[in-house]
Amino acid sequence: QKEVEQNSGPLSVPEGAIASLNCTYSDRGSQSFFWYRQYSGKSPELIMSIYSNGDKEDGRFTAQLNKASQYVSLLIRDSQPSDSATYLCAVHLNNAGNMLTFGGGTRLMVKP
Amino acid sequence: DVKVTQSSRYLVKRTGEKVFLECVQDMDHENMFWYRQDPGLGLRLIYFSYDVKMKEKGDIPEGYSVSREKKERFSLILESASTNQTSMYLCASSASETQYFGPGTRLLVL
Repeated sequence: QKEVEQNSGPLSVPEGAIASLNCTYSDRGSQSFFWYRQYSGKSPELIMSIYSNGDKEDGRFTAQLNKASQYVSLLIRDSQPSDSATYLCAVHLNNAGNMLTFGGGTRLMVKP
Repeated sequence: DVKVTQSSRYLVKRTGEKVFLECVQDMDHENMFWYRQDPGLGLRLIYFSYDVKMKEKGDIPEGYSVSREKKERFSLILESASTNQTSMYLCASSASETQYFGPGTRLLVL
């Protein structure tokens, strides 16, 4: 079992819809969770971090964390074609120093 | 804003050449990382450093070495480039667990 798992996609949603991206992790002691967006041919860009159970909103983005179920989600409201990218989930595993463990990423396609 | 820069966006080298990839960050971060990213394999950690002159192996260090002589600069060295080292190389830096990435270097080894 991988330590951080994401469905590779592609996840296809129509413009204006809500895109829901999910990530599960294996280490119950993990405390910090991150979402990165990566456009094709570009480097990952940090878009959200979340540390506590519940929801954290930033503009059209909402991160949701459920430590009991060991999953973290990213919701993108009013999806735009410019949101089409690969979204990487990263987890700071317990006892990992300052390293992050990345999932394989979910490719999102927003169709006009 | 955190600024992480990498010396080249694209690089073409021959098999057997020694290759230097440079990474510089301007935020006085203690931690710096080198990853490679390949289709279907995701991000894989090559080496990281928590301090000047300090280095630790990541998941795939074979064929690579690193140098950190100054806090802001972390270099990745391919001692003798091989075709299986063709990849996208990403540098990142952090003060804690939040990592910020440079633009990446796409290396082609012929």
